[in-house]
Amino acid sequence: SQQGEEDPQALSIQEGENATMNCSYKTSINNLQWYRQNSGRGLVHLILIRSNEREKHSGRLRVTLDTSKKSSSLLITASRAADTASYFCATDARRGNKLVFGAGTILRVKS
Amino acid sequence: SAVISQKPSRDICQRGTSLTIQCQVDSQVTMMFWYRQQPGQSLTLIATANQGSEATYESGFVIDKFPISRPNLTFSTLTVSNMSPEDSSIYLCSVSDGPGTEAFFGQGTRLTVV
Repeated sequence: SQQGEEDPQALSIQEGENATMNCSYKTSINNLQWYRQNSGRGLVHLILIRSNEREKHSGRLRVTLDTSKKSSSLLITASRAADTASYFCATDARRGNKLVFGAGTILRVKS
Repeated sequence: SAVISQKPSRDICQRGTSLTIQCQVDSQVTMMFWYRQQPGQSLTLIATANQGSEATYESGFVIDKFPISRPNLTFSTLTVSNMSPEDSSIYLCSVSDGPGTEAFFGQGTRLTVV
């Protein structure tokens, strides 16, 4: 069963705007990862944040993690049409190396 | 980062038949996994492919339906057996070097059962 819930389920914004996606999970984790999927293809790893980290940046991406609330957010700044994709969070639960994926957010960036 | 070649990329199959999906990695990896992604849904883990031994299946998935092989550290196969339309999904191979590391994914196999 899926570990996490993501919101919103779908997000439509204009190019240049920021996009924020949220992820909540249920159990203790080692780390949380964010992935992007274009048009039902393979997933691309975006960023990994460990349970002892609170914030991490990579280019236009900013991820936060609040273990007390069991939640994470992914912020994409200055969005581009090429950012249009589905975004998934995945947790690496302490019971093993298996990734459990959230339901995903479909992001559409309009040019 | 690992480069994963997954074949076939897509297939249309008759119900009752079986399809074997191959996953080849360009380097030795510790962990290999198989996921299913049903239309419009997220990814669900089918099993962990163990080198030289039986795969470890998740709840709801059984070896008779999804036999998996992993003869070495760079190759694995997933077979979808006795297919029905409900098996129409994207099947994805994933690899990682162990706990706390990022996972890499193949491009997926889009299966349609008619």
